[in-house]
Amino acid sequence: QQQVKQSPQSLIVQKGGISIINCAYENTAFDYFPWYQQFPGKGPALLIAIRPDVSEKKEGRFTISFNKSAKQFSLHIMDSQPGDSATYFCAAGTHNNAGNMLTFGGGTRLMVKP
Amino acid sequence: DSGVTQTPKHLITATGQRVTLRCSPRSGDLSVYWYQQSLDQGLQFLIQYYNGEERAKGNILERFSAQQFPDLHSELNLSSLELGDSALYFCASSVEARVTGELFFGEGSRLTVL
Repeated sequence: QQQVKQSPQSLIVQKGGISIINCAYENTAFDYFPWYQQFPGKGPALLIAIRPDVSEKKEGRFTISFNKSAKQFSLHIMDSQPGDSATYFCAAGTHNNAGNMLTFGGGTRLMVKP
Repeated sequence: DSGVTQTPKHLITATGQRVTLRCSPRSGDLSVYWYQQSLDQGLQFLIQYYNGEERAKGNILERFSAQQFPDLHSELNLSSLELGDSALYFCASSVEARVTGELFFGEGSRLTVL
């Protein structure tokens, strides 16, 4: 059962453009929403994360927008660069239970064209 | 470099065989997670150990087992291998038992079952 749905599966953006990746979740117990970035041949690495008590978090060119009522969150990459070309995973988890796991979305393969 | 070491990086074996994947977590991290990444399933959580004890279980098959040793390294054992077990297996580590989102992933072990 896929509890976190991610779209699109792939995305092509021109250099300087905005990349937008969307995720939706079902489990209302989720209260931690990180994004991971994965380059070919490497493991995923934490990019940015948000808690549901805020609606937006920005770190440099990366912004997470969170809509608790719609159970949706998204990643915006401003001024996208070729170096941003990677696979992006959204995830959801909860702090309430010891040892609970992160549930990942299916991933979005982003290609930024020069 | 995340500090998480996984061996072997690549493994080719036949159906019905048994393999062991090894993971050394970051220095000081007590929690180890195993994830399976396949093309059509994204990152699937398998199991988590914290300081030697199993803490959470995901979609791990009965043919698979894992353990965490006193020195905190972990092994994932895959037996009676099937073609569908071909995937990239990631180990991740974190300091705490609870999910914080800050998982540090190794570079993965790519298993090919022929």
